[in-house]
Amino acid sequence: EIVLTQSPGTLSLSPGERATLSCRASQSVSSSYLAWYQQKPGQAPRLLIYGASSRATGIPDRFSGSGSGTDFTLTISRLEPEDFAVYYCQQYGSSLVTFGQGTKLEIK
Amino acid sequence: QVTLKESGPVLVKPTETLTLTCTVSGFSLSNARMGVSWIRQPPGKALEWLAHIFSNDEKSYSTSLKSRLTISKDTSKSQVVLTMTNMDPVDTATYYCARTDYDILTGDVWGKGTTVTVSS
Repeated sequence: EIVLTQSPGTLSLSPGERATLSCRASQSVSSSYLAWYQQKPGQAPRLLIYGASSRATGIPDRFSGSGSGTDFTLTISRLEPEDFAVYYCQQYGSSLVTFGQGTKLEIK
Repeated sequence: QVTLKESGPVLVKPTETLTLTCTVSGFSLSNARMGVSWIRQPPGKALEWLAHIFSNDEKSYSTSLKSRLTISKDTSKSQVVLTMTNMDPVDTATYYCARTDYDILTGDVWGKGTTVTVSS
């Protein structure tokens, strides 16, 4: 089973700043099967990025994904107040799906 | 508009079997590219994938929970059912179902979730 490790656990930034979130896999992941989700308190997760770098429908272009192999990154170019939330990466491989433990993006 | 709605008991006792239903609309469970996943989230913790099922009846289960889970679908009712046996207090969580694209194995539309508490 592939383990996803997200860093940092908590990221404190101000609106307008750039956020860089990391997701590292214990073994190589197909880029086709790497996704990022955003979750706000009391809400279901929302798909942001699939296939490592493709934005889901309706996702603003300030969100971008990159990476390959074992290292993937979610970048938010300029933080808006509504972007403060928890972010999860997810992968699929060998018929199994795993999630990272999440990165909490909080207002500094 | 695609929607998914989870339903099931709010409270179950330890050792009981949990049965959750995901009722979908806006897409068909017979669509070759679409399936449904179940994911759970204990209070204050991370997401945990449980299982998924596709139109061809292909199923996969979490390695750690495989012996306790069964996923099935009723295409005519637009429902996907998840059963989990031998419930324990550590299974207390919000349970979500999500439409899953077969090509990218990603949940693109999620239900709002249903909270299940395991307690005697």
